[in-house]
Amino acid sequence: AQKVTQAQTEISVVEKEDVTLDCVYETRDTTYYLFWYKQPPSGELVFLIRRNSFDEQNEISGRYSWNFQKSTSSFNFTITASQVVDSAVYFCALSEANSGGSNYKLTFGKGTLLTVNP
Amino acid sequence: EAGVAQSPRYKIIEKRQSVAFWCNPISGHATLYWYQQILGQGPKLLIQFQNNGVVDDSQLPKDRFSAERLKGVDSTLKIQPAKLEDSAVYLCASSLGRVERGARENIQYFGAGTRLSVL
Repeated sequence: AQKVTQAQTEISVVEKEDVTLDCVYETRDTTYYLFWYKQPPSGELVFLIRRNSFDEQNEISGRYSWNFQKSTSSFNFTITASQVVDSAVYFCALSEANSGGSNYKLTFGKGTLLTVNP
Repeated sequence: EAGVAQSPRYKIIEKRQSVAFWCNPISGHATLYWYQQILGQGPKLLIQFQNNGVVDDSQLPKDRFSAERLKGVDSTLKIQPAKLEDSAVYLCASSLGRVERGARENIQYFGAGTRLSVL
């Protein structure tokens, strides 16, 4: 069974600090996908990134970066120079690739509430 | 490109009443999902459609919940009768619908959700 653990329930930082959100996953499949979503107070889940299990390259997008390590089953997310607008709940999610290509539901962690104070 | 549309945004009902939620996915997206998100938790899949067929409804409480996607586009999720524990945000998501190595077709895009309060 798939499982995603986000051990940090809440994080509070001051603007311009760097912050890392942790994500640890469990799966028996060799082919799977990992995601990060942002959920601002408005409620809509906003897609941030997807990685597949064959690609362990780290990725950087502006102030966001992701560190994928299969050896520790982790997919951590770092925000550099945080801003007030980064305040939201962040979810890590796992999807296993069904061989039929039709069933790839997301299993979400419980989320981390990030508060960036001015 | 328009995103996933959901209505209503908020709904307050009393227990044992019925309620329905509507979702219009992104144009061209074959796969549609309904998730339930209880306060303080991550979303949990209720049902997944591929076009107008059900792919996975293993976590749908079928004694009270039902969903349909008759023409393979819009979808409706119904609760009848509602219980107090059904209070949650109901999220609809859609994706293109095929999983291929390196493709982006399994990325799910979410609507703003419907916040249901059962009193």
